[in-house]
Amino acid sequence: IAGITQAPTSQILAAGRRMTLRCTQDMRHNAMYWYRQDLGLGLRLIHYSNTAGTTGKGEVPDGYSVSRANTDDFPLTLASAVPSQTSVYFCASSDTDRNTEAFFGQGTRLTVV
Amino acid sequence: AQKITQTQPGMFVQEKEAVTLDCTYDTSDQSYGLFWYKQPSSGEMIFLIYQGSYDEQNATEGRYSLNFQKARKSANLVISASQLGDSAMYFCAMRVFPGGFKTIFGAGTRLFVKA
Repeated sequence: IAGITQAPTSQILAAGRRMTLRCTQDMRHNAMYWYRQDLGLGLRLIHYSNTAGTTGKGEVPDGYSVSRANTDDFPLTLASAVPSQTSVYFCASSDTDRNTEAFFGQGTRLTVV
Repeated sequence: AQKITQTQPGMFVQEKEAVTLDCTYDTSDQSYGLFWYKQPSSGEMIFLIYQGSYDEQNATEGRYSLNFQKARKSANLVISASQLGDSAMYFCAMRVFPGGFKTIFGAGTRLFVKA
C-alpha cells in the first residue's frame, strides 16, 4: 500500500442497502476526510477526523457515518442508501502541520439504484 | 460558516497565455489556509499551491501563483504560459485552523486550453 487506498473502486447498490466504503492510508497522517463529488457542486465534505478516536461533521453529513478506531483507517458507512447518494466519493488525509496539503485516494464511484 | 465561491464554471485560454481563476472565501476566523488543486480528466486530485492567512508574500510554485487579497477575501490562481496539459478542473479550498483540519472546497472551474 502506498498513499491512500479506497475500496471498492466502483459499486452499484440497491436502494435501502447498507454499504461501507473503505479507506486506508499508510502515511501516518492524523487528519482524514471524506468528500463526495457531484457535477457542478465540487467536493463537499461529509465527515472528517482530526485524529484517531475523534470525528466531526462536514457540510453534508446526513445519511453517512464514520469511525476512526486507529490512525490508518477511516471507513464511511451508508446505513440505508438512497439514489441521491449516487456520487464519486473521495477519501483524503493530511499531516499534522496545518499548512500541508491533503492527499487523495483514487475515488469510489457509487451508484444507488 | 465557512464558504468558498468559484464563480467561473468554465474558462478558455489560448496556449502560452496567462489565465486567472477566481476564488473568494468567507470566514470570520483570522487563521486559515487556502489551497488550490487540479483534477485532470483521469480523476486524481493534484495539489498545486498553498497560501496561509498570515503570509505576507503571495505564494508561487513554478507557473502557478496565488494572488492573495486578504481584505477582499480572494485567493485567485494565476497560471502563466498555459499548456495543453493544464486543461482540467481546478478547485480552491480553505482550512480554518481553529476547526482543526476541516477543509472545504469550492465548486471548481473547468479550464480549457486551446492550441
